[in-house]
Amino acid sequence: QQQVRQSSQSLTVWEGETAILNCSYENSAFDYFPWYQQFPGEGPALLIAIRSVSDKKEDGRFTIFFNKREKNLSLHIKDSQPGDSATYFCAASGGYGSSGNKLIFGIGTLLSVKP
Amino acid sequence: EAAVTQSPRNKVAVTGGKVTLSCNQTNNHNNMYWYRQDTGHGLRLIHYSYGAGSTEKGDIPDGYKASRPSQENFSLILELATPSQTSVYFCASGDPGRYAEQFFGPGTRLTVL
Repeated sequence: QQQVRQSSQSLTVWEGETAILNCSYENSAFDYFPWYQQFPGEGPALLIAIRSVSDKKEDGRFTIFFNKREKNLSLHIKDSQPGDSATYFCAASGGYGSSGNKLIFGIGTLLSVKP
Repeated sequence: EAAVTQSPRNKVAVTGGKVTLSCNQTNNHNNMYWYRQDTGHGLRLIHYSYGAGSTEKGDIPDGYKASRPSQENFSLILELATPSQTSVYFCASGDPGRYAEQFFGPGTRLTVL
């Protein structure tokens, strides 16, 4: 059973639109949620992250909205650009002991931004 | 300059053969990780390490061994490669701690025939 679920494997938006990527999780002990961005042929790179004590984290055009009660979060990419076309991974960590430091990744959402 | 490098970048192996994937980091990070990436599965943790001489099992360790001979180097070893191990493998490094960013290498594409 997937502990971190990304509802869409692919998403297409037009340039200038807001792309919304959704993520949900099972484990109530998760308290840290990074989003990683991956371009073809490269490794993932941290884009933005939120801790469960917050309900919103903003960094430029990228915003995470977090709902602890519903155990879901979303990444909003405002004014999407063709250069934002990439795979976006939602991840989570938390809990007790050494296992709490491990990141659990979702399957990823491939975003295509059409000019 | 890339802080996490992997070699080889591409590898074709035969079933039953031994494969070693290498990773080097210049970040001076204590923690290092090996993941595999497959369509429909995302990134899954195979092995990780807290420092030289330590290795820990991740979520899918079966069929893999790891070795951390130094702070900079972390290897993934497939003693008897199988076609099911065909995948893209990523190494990452990071500081200790739950909120630490992980820095990924460029990946190794492994095909087992």
